[in-house]
Amino acid sequence: RKEVEQDPGPFNVPEGATVAFNCTYSNSASQSFFWYRQDCRKEPKLLMSVYSSGNEDGRFTAQLNRASQYISLLIRDSKLSDSATYLCAVNPGTASKLTFGTGTRLQVTL
Amino acid sequence: NAGVMQNPRHLVRRRGQEARLRCSPMKGHSHVYWYRQLPEEGLKFMVYLQKENIIDESGMPKERFSAEFPKEGPSILRIQQVVRGDSAAYFCASSPYESFYGYTFGSGTRLTVV
Repeated sequence: RKEVEQDPGPFNVPEGATVAFNCTYSNSASQSFFWYRQDCRKEPKLLMSVYSSGNEDGRFTAQLNRASQYISLLIRDSKLSDSATYLCAVNPGTASKLTFGTGTRLQVTL
Repeated sequence: NAGVMQNPRHLVRRRGQEARLRCSPMKGHSHVYWYRQLPEEGLKFMVYLQKENIIDESGMPKERFSAEFPKEGPSILRIQQVVRGDSAAYFCASSPYESFYGYTFGSGTRLTVV
């Protein structure tokens, strides 16, 4: 089983739709979790940290489910500019590095 | 407040040559991480360094690859005798602490081996 797994997509959604991505992780001792956004041929950019209590930033909501070992990202009212690849990243706690999923590609259309 | 600076942005090398990729972390950041991204693939961890120390090189190929982060100057990822399979985007990230708080990435170096 991979350390961090994501559905590669693509998710094709119309503008204004709500879309959700999940990311599962294998190490139950993992301590911190993040969502990154990566545009084509660009560097990943930190979108949100994911806290146990869940967190929201505008149209974006991230949640953590420790029991089932997954994190989620919900995007409401999708914009064309949300089209990108969304990477989840997990820090296992014992090693000071982030392990990334392969990313979920989102395409928002008119 | 400059971000993580990587250079060159694009690097073309012939098979057998050496590639040197440079990364200057954000001001105040003492932790540097190198990742490789092959086309249509995810980010693969290569090495984690602090000033003058390699902390974790578990993702680094055993041969031809090396990394350093000297007391003065940028971190360097060095690939000797490059092969076509080394063609990829190499991203450097830095953080002020261990990765618990997430990274900031540089814009990457795209290496093409011809």
